[in-house]
Amino acid sequence: ILNVEQSPQSLHVQEGDSTNFTCSFPSSNFYALHWYRWETAKSPEALFVMTLNGDEKKKGRISATLNTKEGYSYLYIKGSQPEDSATYLCAFNKNSGYSTLTFGKGTMLLVSP
Amino acid sequence: GAVVSQHPSWVICKSGTSVKIECRSLDFQATTMFWYRQFPKQSLMLMATSNEGSKATYEQGVEKDKFLINHASLTLSTLTVTSAHPEDSSFYICSAPSRGELFFGEGSRLTVL
Repeated sequence: ILNVEQSPQSLHVQEGDSTNFTCSFPSSNFYALHWYRWETAKSPEALFVMTLNGDEKKKGRISATLNTKEGYSYLYIKGSQPEDSATYLCAFNKNSGYSTLTFGKGTMLLVSP
Repeated sequence: GAVVSQHPSWVICKSGTSVKIECRSLDFQATTMFWYRQFPKQSLMLMATSNEGSKATYEQGVEKDKFLINHASLTLSTLTVTSAHPEDSSFYICSAPSRGELFFGEGSRLTVL
């Protein structure tokens, strides 16, 4: 059983704060690391797919980094807004097939105005 | 992006009855769809891979006679929980790949009384 750990479990910040959370995964047999954003009562939405060690990806105020050698990825949100409130999931893949995606439990972010 | 729609969003049923959940790809064809289950405070766990026109592939520990999957068309997969019991109460969610990304339905919360 592969272990994908996310921390913290939940986070409460004020509007304007910058924040980051961690996803740790097995460092062997790495193929890809996915980040998803999941708002309550909506579908999880893909943020990033990261494949190369040292990868950095950015989408607006959200960015992510990847370290495959030590088995972790960070997700950063700059200047958090209430609309950023969601659960952020990471998922590790050891090959190109989606059936091998292993999800973390998620980090629940609440941004207060 | 592509859209996956899942119905119903929530369902309450009596113990011993069967419940069907539908997962539709609205604007693309999906030869493969994935069904997951999520218990409270746990991660998404893959139950089965649904294959259009052929039998589903079930993950270890998932009873195929209890969780019937039908993928009769390129846009529809159904999951039927047969003879549901309270321990089947959970959150069920589907996904389908399209153009290198995984798109999720909104999920279905099943409560078995």
